[in-house]
Amino acid sequence: AQSVTQLDSQVPVFEEAPVELRCNYSSSVSVYLFWYVQYPNQGLQLLLKYLSGSTLVESINGFEAEFNKSQTSFHLRKPSVHISDTAEYFCAVSDANAGNMLTFGGGTRLMVKP
Amino acid sequence: DAGVIQSPRHEVTEMGQEVTLRCKPISGHNSLFWYRQTMMRGLELLIYFNNNVPIDDSGMPEDRFSAKMPNASFSTLKIQPSEPRDSAVYFCASSFGASDTQYFGPGTRLTVL
Repeated sequence: AQSVTQLDSQVPVFEEAPVELRCNYSSSVSVYLFWYVQYPNQGLQLLLKYLSGSTLVESINGFEAEFNKSQTSFHLRKPSVHISDTAEYFCAVSDANAGNMLTFGGGTRLMVKP
Repeated sequence: DAGVIQSPRHEVTEMGQEVTLRCKPISGHNSLFWYRQTMMRGLELLIYFNNNVPIDDSGMPEDRFSAKMPNASFSTLKIQPSEPRDSAVYFCASSFGASDTQYFGPGTRLTVL
């Protein structure tokens, strides 16, 4: 069984400041890792994913996440946030060998203030 | 390309009534997922279909919940009878392949009075 822990339920930050949203997972098998974003009253959208290869993955809107196997972490970072980044962010994990069922973390609400 | 389509977007019903939520996955996708999102429990996987066959329904709360996928382009989630604690946003998602991204629909907000 897998589990995902997002250590912060809310992260307030000022516009143009850097941000890190933390994600730790627990699994006994190889994993795929995902970050999804949910804007108010919308469904989840994929932000970025790690399947294999380079441990640093990037999204088109400036977010990046690094897979750290030894620390079982997949923290999400952005060097300078915008008001439009205000949303809820979900980290998720799936078993790389057994299909694509996702286990989600509890979510982190990023609140960007002007 | 249309994304995952869910209907209705909002549903308000009274306790004891039957509720049916509908989902049309993205064409060509062979996996379909139903999730429930609440403030208290977060995002929970209810059931997962692969090639129209239910693979894992361990997340279905109880016998009042049932899901079907009669063909590759349609799935339903039924609650009978509904209870106030079923109030939540229900999401459908689809994907193709073990490592493929899951694409989520806009959700159905269910309120049971």
